[in-house]
Amino acid sequence: KNEVEQSPQNLTAQEGEFITINCSYSVGISALHWLQQHPGGGIVSLFMLSSGKKKHGRLIATINIQEKHSSLHITASHPRDSAVYICAVRETSGSRLTFGEGTQLTVNP
Amino acid sequence: DGGITQSPKYLFRKEGQNVTLSCEQNLNHDAMYWYRQDPGQGLRLIYYSQIVNDFQKGDIAEGYSVSREKKESFPLTVTSAQKNPTAFYLCASSAYYTGELFFGEGSRLTVL
Repeated sequence: KNEVEQSPQNLTAQEGEFITINCSYSVGISALHWLQQHPGGGIVSLFMLSSGKKKHGRLIATINIQEKHSSLHITASHPRDSAVYICAVRETSGSRLTFGEGTQLTVNP
Repeated sequence: DGGITQSPKYLFRKEGQNVTLSCEQNLNHDAMYWYRQDPGQGLRLIYYSQIVNDFQKGDIAEGYSVSREKKESFPLTVTSAQKNPTAFYLCASSAYYTGELFFGEGSRLTVL
């Protein structure tokens, strides 16, 4: 069993739909990152969370430390949101990051 | 602008040759990482370094080597001992206190 589990693995939506991607982890963490990887391969960090909720434009990320669960929400989805979204946790024991396998999101016009 | 630069973006190598991928950052980050990504799979840690002149093996270090002679630079050498080196390689760096995380654009290595 992976230490970081994402769901769903694949998600197809119509433009304008509200999207949720989930991440569950089994280790103690100091922070959780949501990352976005576009088809060219480069990765950008969307959020870093240690508690609560963060919002940036149409993206919202939440984390529940007690339940070891985080969600990434996209409101009013757009085809340009199509990408792989990756959850990564920084363990309390050090600098290492553990990654989920990613969620492939496709938003159709 | 601050960031991470990886080079080359694409690289072709014959079997039996060593190849070195460059990773440079001007973010003053302490920690640097090398990851490998295979099609449809998640990122796997090859090596990481938290300070200059020190580095640790990750989960798939066999067939790879690194150095950290300068804070800004963390080159990865893919040696001929790596049995299946064709992959996408990503370098990342993070700040110790803030935890901010940056990735390079990646290097795609193909062994012919």
